[in-house]
Amino acid sequence: DARVTQTPRHKVTEMGQEVTMRCQPILGHNTVFWYRQTMMQGLELLAYFRNRAPLDDSGMPKDRFSAEMPDATLATLKIQPSEPRDSAVYFCASGLAFTGPNTEAFFGQGTRLTVV
Amino acid sequence: AQSVSQHNHHVILSEAASLELGCNYSYGGTVNLFWYVQYPGQHLQLLLKYFSGDPLVKGIKGFEAEFIKSKFSFNLRKPSVQWSDTAEYFCACAGGYQKVTFGTGTKLQVIP
Repeated sequence: DARVTQTPRHKVTEMGQEVTMRCQPILGHNTVFWYRQTMMQGLELLAYFRNRAPLDDSGMPKDRFSAEMPDATLATLKIQPSEPRDSAVYFCASGLAFTGPNTEAFFGQGTRLTVV
Repeated sequence: AQSVSQHNHHVILSEAASLELGCNYSYGGTVNLFWYVQYPGQHLQLLLKYFSGDPLVKGIKGFEAEFIKSKFSFNLRKPSVQWSDTAEYFCACAGGYQKVTFGTGTKLQVIP
């Protein structure tokens, strides 16, 4: 059963520490999204990649966040330094196409980040 | 820039009541539209999607949505809700560059 895998599922860290979240998209999917979910802001798109190239990261605070796809099987989202306001659930999603009949984004289980 | 608005943030219904959740999108070109559901503590799952053809789309668990192009709307409906439908519902659209943008979500609470 193909699925998007995110690690870790939970992370508690102290303010100022670096946090790295990982995502393994479904094999063969060429598009990867990073979303952040909070009570106040809902689901925000942070960045997305097509064929490993970043297409849009305008939703991401550039001074502390970075997103990469070192290869087709791994996407990473880093926060350095982390701040309490970064506490949220971070979702990765992948898909093959977003127009036409095969359009769908498959979501991972999320990483719940708490920065104290 | 594309955007999605969901008007109801929190809806409370009794079992067997009918449901309609509003969704409006903003994008000038062709869009694909989605409804996702997130059960408590879980990830988002696709309920239904529209890409072309019949504007009335049927999804899983008895949900349906109607695409009205003139109103830029894609409202979600269910004739009779169950307690198990308690969840958060997200409308989304994919337009330019196939970027998938979500609305802020509607929390549905169904009272037995």
